[in-house]
Amino acid sequence: GENVEQHPSTLSVQEGDSAVIKCTYSDSASNYFPWYKQELGKRPQLIIDIRSNVGEKKDQRIAVTLNKTAKHFSLHITETQPEDSAVYFCAASRGANNLFFGTGTRLTVIP
Amino acid sequence: DGGITQSPKYLFRKEGQNVTLSCEQNLNHDAMYWYRQDPGQGLRLIYYSQIVNDFQKGDIAEGYSVSREKKESFPLTVTSAQKNPTAFYLCASSTLNYGYTFGSGTRLTVV
Repeated sequence: GENVEQHPSTLSVQEGDSAVIKCTYSDSASNYFPWYKQELGKRPQLIIDIRSNVGEKKDQRIAVTLNKTAKHFSLHITETQPEDSAVYFCAASRGANNLFFGTGTRLTVIP
Repeated sequence: DGGITQSPKYLFRKEGQNVTLSCEQNLNHDAMYWYRQDPGQGLRLIYYSQIVNDFQKGDIAEGYSVSREKKESFPLTVTSAQKNPTAFYLCASSTLNYGYTFGSGTRLTVV
């Protein structure tokens, strides 16, 4: 099956700086890569996703890049704000079902 | 609440007792999932179901049981065989072409 590794496990940045979270996957047939944000005690929420036919996708301050050859994808958050503080999970799958999740990154944005 | 409802929000279980967590969705999603999340940990798959009357074990199915008699419903029973059930339980649903929608979670505590 798929194996998704996520780094770092914790990340602290100053407000206004950028944050980057990286994930690698093992199944070359995976073609769907979503990112979820989970605030304390709440459900994970989809923040951005990318499919294997594109290399980059951007939504305001959030962007995701995908390198299929190297089998890794990254989440980039620019101009970080305190409300960006949360746990972020990457995931990978063939299609959008049966997601395999990374172990999460706890992002802290320091005001 | 985003089309997928989990109840109750908090649940207390006595030693040796079975308890059932409810998950209902009105999104017309075919697939449904149960995850367990321990403090500071990632999401671990308990069971999943792609169609009605069919389900498969995930990575940590021991001590849990599920049913999928209706497309909208995927209840999870935590049996007395689950020796360490205290955790946050998340239900999710998905379609073939779109990622997961999560419920708001049930926090189960053994007393």
